[in-house]
Formats: sequence, C-alpha cells, structure tokens
Amino acid sequence: EAGVTQSPRYAVLQEGQAVSFWCDPISGHDTLYWYQQPRDQGPQLLVYFRDEAVIDNSQLPSDRFSAVRPKGTNSTLKIQSAKQGDTATYLCASSWTGKDTQYFGPGTRLLVL
Amino acid sequence: GEKVEQHESTLSVREGDSAVINCTYTDTASSYFPWYKQEAGKSLHFVIDIRSNVDRKQSQRLIVLLDKKAKRFSLHITATQPEDSAIYFCAASRNMGYKLTFGTGTSLLVDP
Repeated sequence: EAGVTQSPRYAVLQEGQAVSFWCDPISGHDTLYWYQQPRDQGPQLLVYFRDEAVIDNSQLPSDRFSAVRPKGTNSTLKIQSAKQGDTATYLCASSWTGKDTQYFGPGTRLLVL
Repeated sequence: GEKVEQHESTLSVREGDSAVINCTYTDTASSYFPWYKQEAGKSLHFVIDIRSNVDRKQSQRLIVLLDKKAKRFSLHITATQPEDSAIYFCAASRNMGYKLTFGTGTSLLVDP
C-alpha cells in the first residue's frame, strides 16, 4: 500500500513570494490533515478535510494561507505571500474515519529568507 | 482547546535500560492517545496508541499507560536499543477522524 506522498520536498523563497504544496493521501482515506511543524516543535494543525469539506480551519492564517481538496482526494496548501515566520516543515496526514491512526507523509521543508 | 504537555525534553539511557516519557493533557473529552517517532530529517512514524477504554497496552517492547483521572499517559520502552534513538511525540484527540494535538517532543538518546 502506497503511503502519503507530498511534493515538493523542499522549497526556498524570498519573503513575499507564493508557494503551493501538494498532498496525495493513502487511497481510500477520507480525512486529510495539514500540519505545520516549526523547527524543534511538535506539529500544529492548520486545517483538515473530510472528503472535500473543510472540518476545521481555525488555525489557518486566512489572510495568506488557503487549502483545498476539490474532489476529496488530493489536496493543495498555498501560501500567498510568505513570511520568515512561515519557515517550517509542512506535513500532510490522512486517515479513515473508521480508524484513529493518522499516517504522515514525508513533509515539505520550507525556508523563507 | 486541548493542550498536551510533554514533560521530558531530552532523555538519555544506556542500551538495555528502560525509557519512560510522560505526557499530560487538559481536555477530559480526549479519548485517543497515539505516539509517534521522528528520526532525524524524517517524518512522523506511528508507533503505538491507546484508547480511553483501556489503561494499558503493549506492543513488543513498547508499553503505553493511561491514567484518565490524572489526565496523564506515558510511553515505556523496555530493553532499549540504539535504533530507538529519535524524537518521540505524544498526542491526544477526541475521537476517530479528529485532529491531533501534539506535545513538544522528547529527544531520546540510547547510548550503546
């Protein structure tokens, strides 16, 4: 069974630039999560979806971040105008509603200069 | 909202000894408590979990204990090996398909 895949693996930006992250969850998983993990910290939830619906985006900085999952499969997280404080690893995870376990992808390491 | 505190930021043990990592949580509605391992430069790898209907679970050398009254749970790694060296994160969640709230991580070093 293929795991969660993410791309790109690394991104380096200047402040003010835009970037998109892509996630392909495990086949059959209806729930998809985006977490932000700053260096030396635990992951913090940004947003999560069940199928194509947003369940919780209360921690997503809505002025610059957006996330979609239009067909309930793949998802894209976009930062419109990156700031140095956005430097972190962005992790995608997926799960199936009938099971608790969330499986994480390899992450995208973002550096904003 | 839920807050998860992970008490040991670093832990060093000798190979063959046991290691214990402790976490506390605040939300009495939390019912699912997974543990993840993160090796250097890698993503999170699920290791073991416990649900609130039991107070102990074991998988090979890993034991998880849950004390709902104290809102505390712990990971015990017995007969540690150098490959157990990594950062371990505890987390809590209300139920299936719900968001996880993570602790800040414990860096475990097993000296050979």
